[in-house]
Amino acid sequence: EAGVTQFPSHSVIEKGQTVTLRCDPISGHDNLYWYRRVMGKEIKFLLHFVKESKQDESGMPNNRFLAERTGGTYSTLKVQPAELEDSGVYFCASSQTSGRARSGELFFGEGSRLTVL
Amino acid sequence: GNSVTQMEGPVTLSEEAFLTINCTYTATGYPSLFWYVQYPGEGLQLLLKATKADDKGSNKGFEATYRKETTSFHLEKGSVQVSDSAVYFCALVSSGGSYIPTFGRGTSLIVHP
Repeated sequence: EAGVTQFPSHSVIEKGQTVTLRCDPISGHDNLYWYRRVMGKEIKFLLHFVKESKQDESGMPNNRFLAERTGGTYSTLKVQPAELEDSGVYFCASSQTSGRARSGELFFGEGSRLTVL
Repeated sequence: GNSVTQMEGPVTLSEEAFLTINCTYTATGYPSLFWYVQYPGEGLQLLLKATKADDKGSNKGFEATYRKETTSFHLEKGSVQVSDSAVYFCALVSSGGSYIPTFGRGTSLIVHP
């Protein structure tokens, strides 16, 4: 069974440009989470999808960030326009149910490293 | 709000040394506590967990005990191996409301032969 896959693994862009990160969760996992880790700091929650609906987007830093999950399958996270402070590693995770996430059954991708110059 | 505080790394040890990585938390109610590990080139994966006070989680020789009185969940291993080199994240999930895990900053462990 394929795990959570993220693309690209690393992206280097200039300030003001646009970047789109993609996450493919494990098949059948309704819950999808985006997190971000700025160098050396906590992994911070960004948002949570249940199928195609945004369940909780309280962690999204500002309106330069747009997340979508078309058809409840893969998800994209777009940053437009990118700023220097957006640099970090963006993690995607999925779980079968919210209850299983509560039990720690959260499956992570390797992360997409974003560098904004 | 919920928060997790971990000791800063990197922690550098020789093979077979004893490991402790400190983790303390702030949360309402009675959270569940977790340690996740991220090996090089991989995603985070659950290492162990404890769901109530005095529970001990264990896996792959690692242990952590849920200490409510000190709000701590320190990770320990008696004899580390080179293959344990990774980043370790402490995390919690609140007992009520959101099921969103809250993570610490991660502690990098480097084990030398």
